[in-house]
Amino acid sequence: KAGVTQTPRYLIKTRGQQVTLSCSPISGHRSVSWYQQTPGQGLQFLFEYFSETQRNKGNFPGRFSGRQFSNSRSEMNVSTLELGDSALYLCASSLGTRQTGELFFGEGSRLTVL
Amino acid sequence: QQQVKQSPQSLIVQKGGIPIINCAYENTAFDYFPWYQQFPGKGPALLIAIRPDVSEKKEGRFTISFNKSAKQFSLHIMDSQPGDSATYFCAASAKGFYFGTGTSLTVIP
Repeated sequence: KAGVTQTPRYLIKTRGQQVTLSCSPISGHRSVSWYQQTPGQGLQFLFEYFSETQRNKGNFPGRFSGRQFSNSRSEMNVSTLELGDSALYLCASSLGTRQTGELFFGEGSRLTVL
Repeated sequence: QQQVKQSPQSLIVQKGGIPIINCAYENTAFDYFPWYQQFPGKGPALLIAIRPDVSEKKEGRFTISFNKSAKQFSLHIMDSQPGDSATYFCAASAKGFYFGTGTSLTVIP
């Protein structure tokens, strides 16, 4: 069974640009959640989608947005990039029938903002 | 605001030692407390998890101790091995998952 796939793995952007990251969950998983990982801050919860609807949201500004498609694939968008957005962005999928349960993480997309 | 506080930030133990990582939370709505292990270049992977109706759970060399009244939980690694060297994250879940800041564990042979 294929794991969670995130693309691209690495990208470099400049301040003010926008970026879109993609996540393909494990087959059969309906929940996709996104996290920002930075040294010293750990994993910060961005948002969770279940069956194409945003089910939960963390405390990030509106520049961070996401969506989920009918095949459960998800995208995350960050607009007007700032230097502080440099981080590893992790996607996790789960069956999602309960709002707790095992998360399966991808290897992340490492974003560098110059 | 960090909803789950984790300590220590880093830990070095000798092979065979018992590293202990502690976490604390405030939100009583949390009802699921997992620990994740992350190796460099990889995403975190579930190690062990507990629900608040249980005070202790063991899986192999890994044990979670849970104190509901104190709103604290900890991870113990028995007979630690160099292969356990990784970053460990505690988490708590209600609507969404909230992670601690991580503990970098080094086990010296």
